[in-house]
Amino acid sequence: DAKTTQPNSMESNEEEPVHLPCNHSTISGTDYIHWYRQLPSQGPEYVIHGLTSNVNNRMASLAIAEDRKSSTLILHRATLRDAAVYYCILNNYGQNFVFGPGTRLSVLP
Amino acid sequence: DAGITQSPRHKVTETGTPVTLRCHQTENHRYMYWYRQDPGHGLRLIHYSYGVKDTDKGEVSDGYSVSRSKTEDFLLTLESATSSQTSVYFCATGTIPWSYEQYFGPGTRLTVT
Repeated sequence: DAKTTQPNSMESNEEEPVHLPCNHSTISGTDYIHWYRQLPSQGPEYVIHGLTSNVNNRMASLAIAEDRKSSTLILHRATLRDAAVYYCILNNYGQNFVFGPGTRLSVLP
Repeated sequence: DAGITQSPRHKVTETGTPVTLRCHQTENHRYMYWYRQDPGHGLRLIHYSYGVKDTDKGEVSDGYSVSRSKTEDFLLTLESATSSQTSVYFCATGTIPWSYEQYFGPGTRLTVT
């Protein structure tokens, strides 16, 4: 399975943008990049996904490097509710989702 | 929300006893998954189902069995619980296999003493 590397933890101030990095140097051409997050005491929830182009939705933006070996999840204005563990996952059709340890984001008021 | 419930939400049981966890969904999603979450391991896939009576093993299936007799219910059974199976168990559903979006339940915290 293709692997991802994320920082263990990050901090942000409320109402400031947050850039969560993910390295995936062994990504294959057909791997999608997914981001999920897990709020305290809850199950994971889908955030965003992409293949090659940058993506935006109501929750976040996903910036994908041109060589696809890294990506960045962007939260445009962090709120206290965004404090969670963020998982970057590579997935190819027909393969299991593999959740690593993720990045624990703390948001300071 | 995909209308996923898990029961029980918390359970304490003794080593050697059988335990069944239930996942119930109201969205008519075809695909269902069971994961366990342990500190330092992220989530690991136990078993999954791609339809009624169609199931397969995931990454950490030893000691677990599953059944799916109806679209809405996916049962996870620990045949003889061990302390190593103390964990938080999450059920997930989806409309497309290994798709872009899986919907997760609230989890069941199981403690095996």
